[in-house]
Amino acid sequence: DQQVKQNSPSLSVQEGRISILNCDYTNSMFDYFLWYKKYPAEGPTFLISISSIKDKNEDGRFTVFLNKSAKHLSLHIVPSQPGDSAVYFCAAGQDSNYQLIWGAGTKLIIKP
Amino acid sequence: DSGVTQTPKHLITATGQRVTLRCSPRSGDLSVYWYQQSLDQGLQFLIQYYNGEERAKGNILERFSAQQFPDLHSELNLSSLELGDSALYFCASSGWDRENSPLHFGNGTRLTVT
Repeated sequence: DQQVKQNSPSLSVQEGRISILNCDYTNSMFDYFLWYKKYPAEGPTFLISISSIKDKNEDGRFTVFLNKSAKHLSLHIVPSQPGDSAVYFCAAGQDSNYQLIWGAGTKLIIKP
Repeated sequence: DSGVTQTPKHLITATGQRVTLRCSPRSGDLSVYWYQQSLDQGLQFLIQYYNGEERAKGNILERFSAQQFPDLHSELNLSSLELGDSALYFCASSGWDRENSPLHFGNGTRLTVT
């Protein structure tokens, strides 16, 4: 039972355009959502998070949108840069970090 | 650099053997988490320690065990290894407040069981 799903294994975007990564979840008890970025041979790196009391959180080029009714969140990267090429994981949790449930990841490829 | 150190980077061993993976958390972080990532899968939470005590257990097999020492470093012990245990094992650490201290990951240990 996958409680957190990233349905696109990969996504290719032109440099300078917007990258939109999607994540769906099934557990309505989740109240905390995060996005991590992972380069090959490295551990995941925290990007941005959002609490369920918000529907948007922005940090520089990264914006996360949360649609609780649809149980859907998305990460927007504008503008996309070559260094953004990586695997992006979304994670959802409740109460504390140990309850995080992770998606399988989306590989983002930024084309020059 | 996340500040979380994992050793070794790679391990190749045979079925039935036992290995120990080591993790040093970020300075000041009291919580250590262990995750397993099999091929093309998301991260599966194994176990969490907080200040030396087990805090939460996830999908950790009985053949696996972990501990956190007084200096806060942690070890994950994997025994009676099977081919299916081949995976990336990540350690992460965090402070007490999840909103202000998300997980910080080490670079992982790649375990290959032959």
